[in-house]
Amino acid sequence: AQTVTQSQPEMSVQEAETVTLSCTYDTSESDYYLFWYKQPPSRQMILVIRQEAYKQQNATENRFSVNFQKAAKSFSLKISDSQLGDAAMYFCAYGGSGGGADGLTFGKGTHLIIQP
Amino acid sequence: DSGVTQTPKHLITATGQRVTLRCSPRSGDLSVYWYQQSLDQGLQFLIQYYNGEERAKGNILERFSAQQFPDLHSELNLSSLELGDSALYFCASSPRGVWGYNEQFFGPGTRLTVL
Repeated sequence: AQTVTQSQPEMSVQEAETVTLSCTYDTSESDYYLFWYKQPPSRQMILVIRQEAYKQQNATENRFSVNFQKAAKSFSLKISDSQLGDAAMYFCAYGGSGGGADGLTFGKGTHLIIQP
Repeated sequence: DSGVTQTPKHLITATGQRVTLRCSPRSGDLSVYWYQQSLDQGLQFLIQYYNGEERAKGNILERFSAQQFPDLHSELNLSSLELGDSALYFCASSPRGVWGYNEQFFGPGTRLTVL
């Protein structure tokens, strides 16, 4: 079974600074997908960024980028120019390529605080 | 707005009771997933349906069941409710028209409180 570990229960960053959230995972599959979801106080789950394991290039979405290290099974999220609206819980998630169970496996989350 | 709708938003009930949560996926999405988010267990995958058929099971209790109807909406039935079933229940949908593509879009959730 796959596992996802987020070792930082809480992170704090000054507005406009850069912060990196860590995520490691364990899997025996070679083809899979990784995601970062944001959950603001409204509790809505919002997809921030996704990475296909077969792609070597790190995914980027505006101020959000990932550092995907497949051999190390590491998938960190970098948020540049942090904004107050970035304050939320961030969940790292693993999705298989479809050969077995297709539900996402989530980490426990990191609570991101933005200091004005 | 993800395009996934869930009803009701909030549900308060007593132990031992049975409730039904409803989900309508995004237009065109064939897959529906159910997740439970609780303080104890975090976000857990419960079950997936694809075009009306059960596709995958996660940590779903035997007291819980689900189905997906011909119009692709899905219902999650929770019976013999216990205090520990209090949680936020999410539905998500996915195109899954392409093998291996697994992006899921989440609904706003149903907050279940068991008293």
